[in-house]
Amino acid sequence: KAGVTQTPRYLIKTRGQQVTLSCSPISGHRSVSWYQQTPGQGLQFLFEYFSETQRNKGNFPGRFSGRQFSNSRSEMNVSTLELGDSALYLCASSVKGGMETQYFGPGTRLLVL
Amino acid sequence: GQQVMQIPQYQHVQEGEDFTTYCNSSTTLSNIQWYKQRPGGHPVFLIQLVKSGEVKKQKRLTFQFGEAKKNSSLHITATQTTDVGTYFCAGPMDSSYKLIFGSGTRLLVRP
Repeated sequence: KAGVTQTPRYLIKTRGQQVTLSCSPISGHRSVSWYQQTPGQGLQFLFEYFSETQRNKGNFPGRFSGRQFSNSRSEMNVSTLELGDSALYLCASSVKGGMETQYFGPGTRLLVL
Repeated sequence: GQQVMQIPQYQHVQEGEDFTTYCNSSTTLSNIQWYKQRPGGHPVFLIQLVKSGEVKKQKRLTFQFGEAKKNSSLHITATQTTDVGTYFCAGPMDSSYKLIFGSGTRLLVRP
């Protein structure tokens, strides 16, 4: 099976712009979670989607949003980018989510200038 | 809120020495998972522990789940340079679909 894929892998934006990141889960996986990882920090949970529904959300401002499509692919959007949004954004998929093993994609490295 | 704490934050060892990282949850966990992230890479699943007091081994790695299911440890015997990376524990938040990750322990191995 192909692994989790994320596009783009690298992105440079300027403050105030918006960005959309894409994640394609492993075939058959219906849960997609998004995490933000900053240098020296752990993995901060953004949100989790299952069958096109957001089931849980982390403590991030409303500028961070996401969605999931019927084919389980997911996108996350960050509007009005700030310098502090520079991070590695990881998505992870699992069959049903929750307590299951998470399979991570390679991440999208976002740099905000 | 529920928290998962991990210590130490960093560990620098000489190749051949042992290494241990500890994970503590503020609440009882239904299971604990361990992930490894190599420098420049993404987290990769290592193992999941479910039962109270469970011990699992993977070659030189030994994983343990506490009796109260609130703590866990990962022990590496005779570290090698290939063990370099950050080790994260993670546990599911009760009644949600959210996996909470510890802050990670970064392991550096001197050859």
